[in-house]
Parts: sequence; C-alpha cells; structure tokens
Amino acid sequence: AAGVIQSPRHLIKEKRETATLKCYPIPRHDTVYWYQQGPGQDPQFLISFYEKMQSDKGSIPDRFSAQQFSDYHSELNMSSLELGDSALYFCASSLWGTGDSVEQYFGPGTRLTVT
Amino acid sequence: DAKTTQPTSMDCAEGRAANLPCNHSTISGNEYVYWYRQIHSQGPQYIIHGLKNNETNEMASLIITEDRKSSTLILPHATLRDTAVYYCIVRSRNTGGFKTIFGAGTRLFVKA
Repeated sequence: AAGVIQSPRHLIKEKRETATLKCYPIPRHDTVYWYQQGPGQDPQFLISFYEKMQSDKGSIPDRFSAQQFSDYHSELNMSSLELGDSALYFCASSLWGTGDSVEQYFGPGTRLTVT
Repeated sequence: DAKTTQPTSMDCAEGRAANLPCNHSTISGNEYVYWYRQIHSQGPQYIIHGLKNNETNEMASLIITEDRKSSTLILPHATLRDTAVYYCIVRSRNTGGFKTIFGAGTRLFVKA
C-alpha cells in the first residue's frame, strides 16, 4: 500500500540558510501534519492542514511556515536556520474524520542537519 | 486530552508476550486510547486503538480496563524487530483532524 512520502530524506544546510521539506500524503488523505523530533526527544507537533487551510498549530517557530496545495501535498518552509533546528521532521497524513477515530500514518522523515 | 503514564523501559525475551501498561486515570468518555511505536529514527507507526472494548489486530491486542483508567498493549510473540519506543496516547473523539501529542513512551528491549 502507498505510504506517506517525504523528500528529501536528508538535508544539510548552514546557519541562516533556508530549507523546504515536502510531504506527499497517502492517496485520498486530506489532512497533513508536521512534527519535529530533536535528538533524544519525542516528536513534537508543529502544524496541520486540512483542505489547504491550517487546522491546528503547535510549537512552530515564526521562522517556519507551511502550506498545503490543491493536490494535498504539503511543504514546510524554514528560514534563518539555527543549529537547534537540526532534527528529524516527520509528516503524517489522515482523513479528516467524521466523528469517529482517526488514524495517522507517518512518513519516514527528513533528517535536517544545520551546520 | 488526558495525560498518560508509562514505564520508562521494559525488557522482554524473544518469543514471549510483551505486555506494555499505560495509565490514563483522567480519561473522559469521548477519548480513545491509541498506541504508536517508533523504531529507531523511523517514522512513528500506528499499532492499534480502542474506546472501551478490547481490540485485536494483526500486530497486537489492546486490553482496556472496565473503568478505562488503564490499558495494556500486548505483543503476543515479541521479536527482535519489536524493539522500539511505544507511545500510549489518549485523544478525544471529535470531528476533524487530530494532532498527536507524544509523551514519554516505553522503551521496549526485546532480547534473544
């Protein structure tokens, strides 16, 4: 079965540069979520989108922005990168839901290293 | 969403059942119990979820106590590949998308 696709899988940037991470959800999934996982930490929710609209927001820095496109893929844009932004970035997708339980499926992640 | 409490780590012998407990004493009536796991540096993987009845799928079984204040994830025949961090998450039954709030899960070590 098709899974969540993330690209690139690895990215190395220098401080103050910008980075764009891409996420392609499972076909028919309309909701996308972004998570950040620092070294030795648990994943932290950043932001989510449903039908191209932001649906929820977590601890996402102001230097980061994201959007969802009409084909449901999503991009996370990160500017003025800092060393502390080095982390694994996961994208997850799901159906929006109709009042019952919702399962999220996670991608393999993008490992961002800021030097 | 209700808070969960899990052991920091557990060991299990290969081929034996792994029983991972989770306390969620403040769970409310419209909240589901979800389990995810994360194998080192991979994306979290959905395992199973339940509301009040016990659930079983090809990966695991979920036993929820009658008062719903705790649950146990059971991996019936643990293998070395089941070594991972297991997260118990409580999430409300609302319409719409759900963010997943990961707490400190249980690091399961399956040993040969």
